[in-house]
Amino acid sequence: DTEVTQTPKHLVMGMTNKKSLKCEQHMGHRAMYWYKQKAKKPPELMFVYSYEKLSINESVPSRFSPECPNSSLLNLHLHALQPEDSALYLCASSHHSGSYEQYFGPGTRLTVT
Amino acid sequence: KQEVTQIPAALSVPEGENLVLNCSFTDSAIYNLQWFRQDPGKGLTSLLLIQSSQREQTSGRLNASLDKSSGRSTLYIAASQPGDSATYLCAVIPTGANSKLTFGKGITLSVRP
Repeated sequence: DTEVTQTPKHLVMGMTNKKSLKCEQHMGHRAMYWYKQKAKKPPELMFVYSYEKLSINESVPSRFSPECPNSSLLNLHLHALQPEDSALYLCASSHHSGSYEQYFGPGTRLTVT
Repeated sequence: KQEVTQIPAALSVPEGENLVLNCSFTDSAIYNLQWFRQDPGKGLTSLLLIQSSQREQTSGRLNASLDKSSGRSTLYIAASQPGDSATYLCAVIPTGANSKLTFGKGITLSVRP
């Protein structure tokens, strides 16, 4: 199984809502990533988890809260988002953090109203 | 700071043409270089990964080359088809434990029937 899955595919939320994005992989990878991608731009790294511990936070606002409950699962909790947070949120995984090939999920299209 | 450039930003070719997509990077201290394909609104699909010790990788009609000394990589697509229409991104993977991929802005390819 070489697949990274993400749910939901689409999400519309108001600025006062709390929602979560989910990412799952069953490739035995020990590093997982969250990226944000705006239209016609490359993905921007948000967070990196290595062995279920947060290793990189790219100065992301606290309204985004990542969580890695186990080695296969990565969540992104969203609260009090702004319209400019509307984007495609991509999850990725790799064998370990560092110089390893990354595998991406299909993304969650988030719209904040 | 690593910078990755992909020029041109968009390319339109007739079906059947062989084409080359270019990627250049400023810091040759890379571990791997990864080529991705992205369809509109979708996630990234990994096409080819070239390790720094390799010169090229092939998969079907795709061939990617890497010249670290000159800071360049090319993705060769043979006998292009309308189904190849997508955005192609290259990303460099640094040496060491730093997990940050540095992406180019991508080349949007349109293959005309």
